[in-house]
Amino acid sequence: DVKVTQSSRYLVKRTGEKVFLECVQDMDHENMFWYRQDPGLGLRLIYFSYDVKMKEKGDIPEGYSVSREKKERFSLILESASTNQTSMYLCASSFRAGGLQSQYFGPGTRLTVT
Amino acid sequence: GESVGLHLPTLSVQEGDNSIINCAYSNSASDYFIWYKQESGKGPQFIIDIRSNMDKRQGQRVTVLLNKTVKHLSLQIAATQPGDSAVYFCAEKYTGGFKTIFGAGTRLFVKA
Repeated sequence: DVKVTQSSRYLVKRTGEKVFLECVQDMDHENMFWYRQDPGLGLRLIYFSYDVKMKEKGDIPEGYSVSREKKERFSLILESASTNQTSMYLCASSFRAGGLQSQYFGPGTRLTVT
Repeated sequence: GESVGLHLPTLSVQEGDNSIINCAYSNSASDYFIWYKQESGKGPQFIIDIRSNMDKRQGQRVTVLLNKTVKHLSLQIAATQPGDSAVYFCAEKYTGGFKTIFGAGTRLFVKA
């Protein structure tokens, strides 16, 4: 079975702090994604990556950056956390760039910024 | 922008009944559709998918129907159980595209 793991289930950070969210997948997937999920807004794509060191902006990249130094790991960085970044963050991966296959999701990180 | 939507935000069914969750999509270029289930406190989990060259696909207790004429997708769950209580998302994708477009989700409540 594909496993996507996220470094933390719950995080509480202060405004202005730098926040790192880590995601690891164990199935050699090419694609990795970061979403945030908010009530009533569904899943919104922040960034995705289709290869090592490659990244593409999603629908809401402002305030975020990403890093993909190894194929299995995709990190989301909040350079200076703000209260409006309080959300559930979901990482996902899929096998092949541009292919028709589903994404596999991690359990999520619930981030609270105070 | 185009998006995937759902007709109903919540659905309540009696245990043992069949459930039908509906979804409308607007991108006629989409050729792959997926249903996900998200239980409380967990990430979305793949349930079933269908490609645009099919109009029906069955899994274990679940069936997905695709009507390309009216751009409509539905998920049918047979003999709904308490463990089926969750939020269900439909999603769409097209060949060559990187992004998957997710619907807002429908919350399914199963009454014992």
